[in-house]
Amino acid sequence: SAVISQKPSRDICQRGTSLTIQCQVDSQVTMMFWYRQQPGQSLTLIATANQGSEATYESGFVIDKFPISRPNLTFSTLTVSNMSPEDSSIYLCSAGTGNSPLHFGNGTRLTVT
Amino acid sequence: TQLLEQSPQFLSIQEGENLTVYCNSSSVFSSLQWYRQEPGEGPVLLVTVVTGGEVKKLKRLTFQFGDARKDSSLHITAAQPGDTGLYLCAGVAGWGSQGNLIFGKGTKLSVKP
Repeated sequence: SAVISQKPSRDICQRGTSLTIQCQVDSQVTMMFWYRQQPGQSLTLIATANQGSEATYESGFVIDKFPISRPNLTFSTLTVSNMSPEDSSIYLCSAGTGNSPLHFGNGTRLTVT
Repeated sequence: TQLLEQSPQFLSIQEGENLTVYCNSSSVFSSLQWYRQEPGEGPVLLVTVVTGGEVKKLKRLTFQFGDARKDSSLHITAAQPGDTGLYLCAGVAGWGSQGNLIFGKGTKLSVKP
């Protein structure tokens, strides 16, 4: 199973700034996704990171707010732009191949002050 | 919109008790996955059930997929403090597509010694 490294693990940021979260997988994967999770709650899919093309966003999430890069089959970034306190959450990267279940990174706990 | 209703949302029990967590939907899923998440970590896959009526056992954990592939349950026998965590069910909506993973709201389990 893929090992997913995510960084930073946590950060405290000021409103109006941006934070880029990195996700590195130890093997090539076909699919990479970004989720948001409020503490103690379930996961909401933000977008699918597509290698070599623009990410596919879910309803309620837009590229200007959450730009995503995926330059190759093992790496992706998610940027949380122009942050506000409402963006305080846990952001999770996940990856998988074919029909295999997804594996998750340990998440980035973001606090916006 | 496909939804997964997970219950109960919170569960606090004593060590040695049994418990069941339910995951229900009006929609059919090609497969269903159960994850466990501990604070500060990403969700960790426990099991995937694929066939209607399937029962899988993982030590003291028993997972069942409904005959119609619309619901699932997780039963824990003789719970231990180490079982404490957030349990998430997630349904795969499309055939062969992990990208359509729909999460339930989660069950926060606390097992007291």
